[in-house]
Amino acid sequence: RKEVEQDPGPFNVPEGATVAFNCTYSNSASQSFFWYRQDCRKEPKLLMSVYSSGNEDGRFTAQLNRASQYISLLIRDSKLSDSATYLCVLGGTYKYIFGTGTRLKVLA
Amino acid sequence: DAGVTQSPTHLIKTRGQQVTLRCSPKSGHDTVSWYQQALGQGPQFIFQYYEEEERQRGNFPDRFSGHQFPNYSSELNVNALLLGDSALYLCASSFFSAEKELFFGEGSRLTVL
Repeated sequence: RKEVEQDPGPFNVPEGATVAFNCTYSNSASQSFFWYRQDCRKEPKLLMSVYSSGNEDGRFTAQLNRASQYISLLIRDSKLSDSATYLCVLGGTYKYIFGTGTRLKVLA
Repeated sequence: DAGVTQSPTHLIKTRGQQVTLRCSPKSGHDTVSWYQQALGQGPQFIFQYYEEEERQRGNFPDRFSGHQFPNYSSELNVNALLLGDSALYLCASSFFSAEKELFFGEGSRLTVL
């Protein structure tokens, strides 16, 4: 089983839609979780950290479910500029483990 | 404030050759990690350098080696290149602490023919 699993998509959604991605992880000892965004042929950039209590940043909400070992990302009121690949990431002292990413395409 | 810079941005090599990729971390960062990203995949951890030592290594063969210099910059060397080494090589810098944000460079895109 992969350490981090994501649905690769693509998710094609109309502008203004709400879309959610899930990511499951296998190591129950994992302590830190992140969502990174990667635009086509660009480097990944931190979108947000994910906390047990859940956290929100504007239109983006991240949740962590330790019991079921998954994290989620919810995007409300999708914009064309949200089109990108969203990478689920497990953090560690030395290495970060990235999922394969979920492609999102927001359509006009 | 300069971010993470990598060079070269693109390069083409042939099988069996050797390549050196370079990375300068974001100002103030002391830790450099290298990742390999194949097309359609997420970044895969190669190794991390802190205080000029390799701290942890991912599942990559010894053909992949690295170095960190006193000014925190780093090099990634790959010997005896294989076609499967074609990928985007990403350098990430950070502070050496838990739950740190990784800042990535734009990457070096290596094509092996």
